[in-house]
Amino acid sequence: GQNIDQPTEMTATEGAIVQINCTYQTSGFNGLFWYQQHAGEAPTFLSYNVLDGLEEKGRFSSFLSRSKGYSYLLLKELQMKDSASYLCAVPDSNYQLIWGAGTKLIIKP
Amino acid sequence: IAGITQAPTSQILAAGRRMTLRCTQDMRHNAMYWYRQDLGLGLRLIHYSNTAGTTGKGEVPDGYSVSRANTDDFPLTLASAVPSQTSVYFCASSGTSGGANVLTFGAGSRLTVL
Repeated sequence: GQNIDQPTEMTATEGAIVQINCTYQTSGFNGLFWYQQHAGEAPTFLSYNVLDGLEEKGRFSSFLSRSKGYSYLLLKELQMKDSASYLCAVPDSNYQLIWGAGTKLIIKP
Repeated sequence: IAGITQAPTSQILAAGRRMTLRCTQDMRHNAMYWYRQDLGLGLRLIHYSNTAGTTGKGEVPDGYSVSRANTDDFPLTLASAVPSQTSVYFCASSGTSGGANVLTFGAGSRLTVL
């Protein structure tokens, strides 16, 4: 079967760097997605990784290791507005997304 | 309309009642989805539609039905609501971005079944 694991909650300080990990188990691999979800709002797309390595997009970067079934989202120069849940998702064999439970990131001044 | 519109935003419903959650998109996306989101759990797929006229079952389809008469609309119906269907429901559609099938979500419908 498929399984995705993320930490439930993390706390970081404004201006700092935080790494949110995601491990997954899939029968095949068709990429890995990260979404951001502010409290009471809809998820919004952050990044997509299909090849190994680091993809940088401004303050946010996403890393993938297919051999280890592992990804992380790296957030730099944290701002209060980055307080949100971060959702990791991978497609199943029917290309429908399987979602992790999300990591709630709390930013403190 | 810009993106995906869901209605109602919030609803309290008596158990046993029938309820339809509406979803409309204006992006001409072929694929649409209904998810439910519960505390401590990831988004779970209820039903999906890859194109107008077709639908498929997701991870948790029991107690729900959908239809896809046209590209824009994808309503979700609870035939006889039960308290375990209390949840936040998100409609989504997907288009491609940089080779990825990216989901765009509606704002959500918060449903409470008493």
